[in-house]
Amino acid sequence: DQQVKQNSPSLSVQEGRISILNCDYTNSMFDYFLWYKKYPAEGPTFLISISSIKDKNEDGRFTVFLNKSAKHLSLHIVPSQPGDSAVYFCAASGPYSGGGADGLTFGKGTHLIIQP
Amino acid sequence: NAGVTQTPKFQVLKTGQSMTLQCAQDMNHNSMYWYRQDPGMGLRLIYYSASEGTTDKGEVPNGYNVSRLNKREFSLRLESAAPSQTSVYFCASTPGRVYNEQFFGPGTRLTVL
Repeated sequence: DQQVKQNSPSLSVQEGRISILNCDYTNSMFDYFLWYKKYPAEGPTFLISISSIKDKNEDGRFTVFLNKSAKHLSLHIVPSQPGDSAVYFCAASGPYSGGGADGLTFGKGTHLIIQP
Repeated sequence: NAGVTQTPKFQVLKTGQSMTLQCAQDMNHNSMYWYRQDPGMGLRLIYYSASEGTTDKGEVPNGYNVSRLNKREFSLRLESAAPSQTSVYFCASTPGRVYNEQFFGPGTRLTVL
């Protein structure tokens, strides 16, 4: 039973436009959410996070929105750049996550392709 | 500052062979983790160590053992490798305070024939 879901395996966006990546979760005990970016043959790198007490967090071109009632979060990248082409993982942390007290539960990832 | 390092980068084993994946971090982090990533899947937690001297099972611990050798090093052992353990293995660490992001190593690509 997947507790963190990324329903779009891939997303293609034109350079300069907005990229919106979506993530849904089922476990209401999750209280902290993160986005990771991963290039081929490298480890994931942290991008941005949000606590469940907030509904928005912004860092430069990246903004994460959290809708607790819908158990949904999204990552907005504006403007999209060629270097943003990568796989993006949504992850959740919290008590009873099933991954251990401090472990992260990951979605399957969305492959973002930025077209020139 | 090398961050999180993993050795080896690649390994091919035959079914039934054993091996140890090594992980070290130089950030003075308290907590360390082992994940595996399979094609089309997210990362799944195998084991973690919240602090030196403690280890706990994650989501998929069967077939693995771990050792937190000291604060810097956290190893993952496959006693009798199986083809189902073919995967990319990532080690991660975090300071261990609440709500810190995890820092990942570059991964070890393991194939079991």
